[in-house]
Amino acid sequence: EIVLTQSPGTLSLSPGERATLSCRASQSVSSSYLAWYQQKPGQPPRLLIYATSSRATGIPDRFSGSGSGTDFTLTISRLEPEDFAVYYCQQYGGSVRTFGQGTKVEIK
Amino acid sequence: EVQLVQSGGGLVQPGGSLRLSCAASGFIFSNYEMNWVRQAPGKGLEWVSHISSSGNTLYYADSVKGRFTISRDNAKNSLYLQMNSLRAEDTAVYYCARYFDRWGQGTLVTVSS
Repeated sequence: EIVLTQSPGTLSLSPGERATLSCRASQSVSSSYLAWYQQKPGQPPRLLIYATSSRATGIPDRFSGSGSGTDFTLTISRLEPEDFAVYYCQQYGGSVRTFGQGTKVEIK
Repeated sequence: EVQLVQSGGGLVQPGGSLRLSCAASGFIFSNYEMNWVRQAPGKGLEWVSHISSSGNTLYYADSVKGRFTISRDNAKNSLYLQMNSLRAEDTAVYYCARYFDRWGQGTLVTVSS
């Protein structure tokens, strides 16, 4: 089973700042099967990025994804008030799909 | 509009059973793989199970293998999760998801005596 480790656990930033979230896999992940989600309290997850760098429908271009192999990154170029939430990476390439433990982006 | 409407959660005793349902609309259900994902209170997301569009391929997380069964009825546009031998650690909000791009509202399953 591929284990995904996200860092940092919590990111304290101000609106307008840049956020860089990391996701490291225990073994190589196909770039076609790495996704990022945003989740706010009481809501289901929302798909942001799929296939490492493709934005899902309706996702603003301030969200971008990159990476390959075992290291992947979600970047939010300029934080908006509605971006403060928990973010999860996920790999979905094999018979076992796994999520990272999440990174909370909080207002500084 | 794509909609996934869930039902079937609730309180159940340890060792008991529960069946979750997910009614799909707004898309061709039989074209999509479906998944169940859960989230224990205050915790992160845990993938539970996958079913292919035809229903022929099933995958499970080790934590539920042998106890949970995923199924679908493409004629009824519905997805199911039969949960048996429930344990306290199965307590969570359960989400159905179309592939992973659309999600249901979630349903709470509480396993407690």
